[in-house]
Amino acid sequence: GAVVSQHPSWVICKSGTSVKIECRSLDFQATTMFWYRQFPKQSLMLMATSNEGSKATYEQGVEKDKFLINHASLTLSTLTVTSAHPEDSSFYICSARGGREGYGYTFGSGTRLTVV
Amino acid sequence: SQELEQSPQSLIVQEGKNLTINCTSSKTLYGLYWYKQKYGEGLIFLMMLQKGGEEKSHEKITAKLDEKKQQSSLHITASQPSHAGIYLCGAEGGGSNYKLTFGKGTLLTVNP
Repeated sequence: GAVVSQHPSWVICKSGTSVKIECRSLDFQATTMFWYRQFPKQSLMLMATSNEGSKATYEQGVEKDKFLINHASLTLSTLTVTSAHPEDSSFYICSARGGREGYGYTFGSGTRLTVV
Repeated sequence: SQELEQSPQSLIVQEGKNLTINCTSSKTLYGLYWYKQKYGEGLIFLMMLQKGGEEKSHEKITAKLDEKKQQSSLHITASQPSHAGIYLCGAEGGGSNYKLTFGKGTLLTVNP
């Protein structure tokens, strides 16, 4: 139990285009989901907290208009990187709070974004 | 915001050796999580600690949270190459602040 599916696992896009990443809780409902960014050889940086049915809460320094988050249902949150640039290239990981007791947070397998 | 310091940043051990990774917080830890990650992949949950003095074990990995709830350690006994990876400690903010923030991680290499 407590599986989070993240899609796509990797994506290459051209500068100026937008990319959408999906995060789904497969066997539990997640009222809260989180989006992280990870640079090479670095830890996870929390970008925003996504709450079902309400606006996301962004961490300081994260551009809201650049990284659009939508949490339209209890099992799906999406992160859209708008007008992507090479500096947006990174590894993005989502997590969902909930699921099996004791696990707390379940993570997706991540999305490798490369902007060319 | 809560800051987590992990040490060491990297560690190379010979297979069969024991090792310890530490995680220290600037504030009281309300929920301390240990994860393992292979670079470029998702996180694998290891253990979660909440109570001061708590200790949990799974296979050859033991995690402890000190009584003051500001420091946690992860100990691996008789390390194997399969233990190699990045170990991350994460902490919740307390109260209704459920977001999880992470330390910088410890890169573990186990040489056969």
